[in-house]
Amino acid sequence: NAGVTQTPKFRVLKTGQSMTLLCAQDMNHEYMYWYRQDPGMGLRLIHYSVGEGTTAKGEVPDGYNVSRLKKQNFLLGLESAAPSQTSVYFCASSYLAGTANEQFFGPGTRLTVL
Amino acid sequence: DQQVKQNSPSLSVQEGRISILNCDYTNSMFDYFLWYKKYPAEGPTFLISISSIKDKNEDGRFTVFLNKSAKHLSLHIVPSQPGDSAVYFCAASRGFKTIFGAGTRLFVKA
Repeated sequence: NAGVTQTPKFRVLKTGQSMTLLCAQDMNHEYMYWYRQDPGMGLRLIHYSVGEGTTAKGEVPDGYNVSRLKKQNFLLGLESAAPSQTSVYFCASSYLAGTANEQFFGPGTRLTVL
Repeated sequence: DQQVKQNSPSLSVQEGRISILNCDYTNSMFDYFLWYKKYPAEGPTFLISISSIKDKNEDGRFTVFLNKSAKHLSLHIVPSQPGDSAVYFCAASRGFKTIFGAGTRLFVKA
């Protein structure tokens, strides 16, 4: 039982390049999330999904796209990377709304855009 | 507009003493409040939560207090241990949406 895994762990991009971050969970969770963490800003929600085939915008969605083709996977795409997207990205999943909605987080992806 | 605020970026405590981490929120719509703990190079892990209808929840060395009239919650760790040194995030949730604070870095000195 691996929980939430993220690929890759580190990446350096040049401005304008594209990439996809992969998140996978083996807990059969319905809800999945992508956050970014910046110094002094806490965790900010980029996009989220309430089930397979559904996605929605979070607090800071601009410059990112997501897809949830399979229940266990949630992909975050950067079509044209910008230095402002330098951050640590965390994927999370949770089982049930209506409770405290405890989220399980992956180990993070550290992205640097030059 | 920060709905969840942790005004202390860092806190240093001696081993064995009490650690008190504070959090303020602005919106009364939240159903639950949570604390997460984060070690370097790892993702946050859930620590403890409290329903908005409660004023205290205890789990071992960790107790969370909620003061709804002041829109304030706090996490007490007693006794503090060096392994508690980490960043602690306060969070507030309603349904599947969660808002996180900026975090407080706790140093527990041996």
